[in-house]
Amino acid sequence: SQQGEEDPQALSIQEGENATMNCSYKTSINNLQWYRQNSGRGLVHLILIRSNEREKHSGRLRVTLDTSKKSSSLLITASRAADTASYFCATRRNAGGTSYGKLTFGQGTILTVHP
Amino acid sequence: DTGVSQDPRHKITKRGQNVTFRCDPISEHNRLYWYRQTLGQGPEFLTYFQNEAQLEKSRLLSDRFSAERPKGSFSTLEIQRTEQGDSAMYLCASSPIGGMSSYNEQFFGPGTRLTVL
Repeated sequence: SQQGEEDPQALSIQEGENATMNCSYKTSINNLQWYRQNSGRGLVHLILIRSNEREKHSGRLRVTLDTSKKSSSLLITASRAADTASYFCATRRNAGGTSYGKLTFGQGTILTVHP
Repeated sequence: DTGVSQDPRHKITKRGQNVTFRCDPISEHNRLYWYRQTLGQGPEFLTYFQNEAQLEKSRLLSDRFSAERPKGSFSTLEIQRTEQGDSAMYLCASSPIGGMSSYNEQFFGPGTRLTVL
């Protein structure tokens, strides 16, 4: 079963606006990652935040992590039409040396940015 | 381009047939993963290799599924006696070991879309 749950399932905004997507998870994690997927294609890694980090920035992306609430958010500022894609959070469990980096993905948020 | 490649990109087959997919990871990456993604869902883990050793298999991987990575480089995923429920995108990913390997991102290939008629 999917561990992560993204919210909202779909988000439609105008170019230039900010987009915020949320993710919740259930188990103790080592890290949380966000990926983007353009329609029918492979996934592209966006940003990784470790369990001992609370906030991270990369260009127009800002990720927060609240391990007490088992939740994360991805903020895309000044969105562009090219940001239109599905966004997935993925968690790596904190299971010592046996989890091998397996990622558990949420169901994703479909973001549409209108020009 | 030295990214992860997958072949074929699309496969249409009839129920009951066998299919095989290939994944070529980034050359220096020791870890290789297979995931399955159905429409509207996130990817689900199937199996993991470290070099040539298959170290983890999901319960999603029924006896009809088998994966190999014979020389620790490319990997194949075979589905025997395909069923309509096998229709999905099959994604391969790779990542390196070493350093702070707990924190490594995974690099995904473009996927193989399987349609079982």
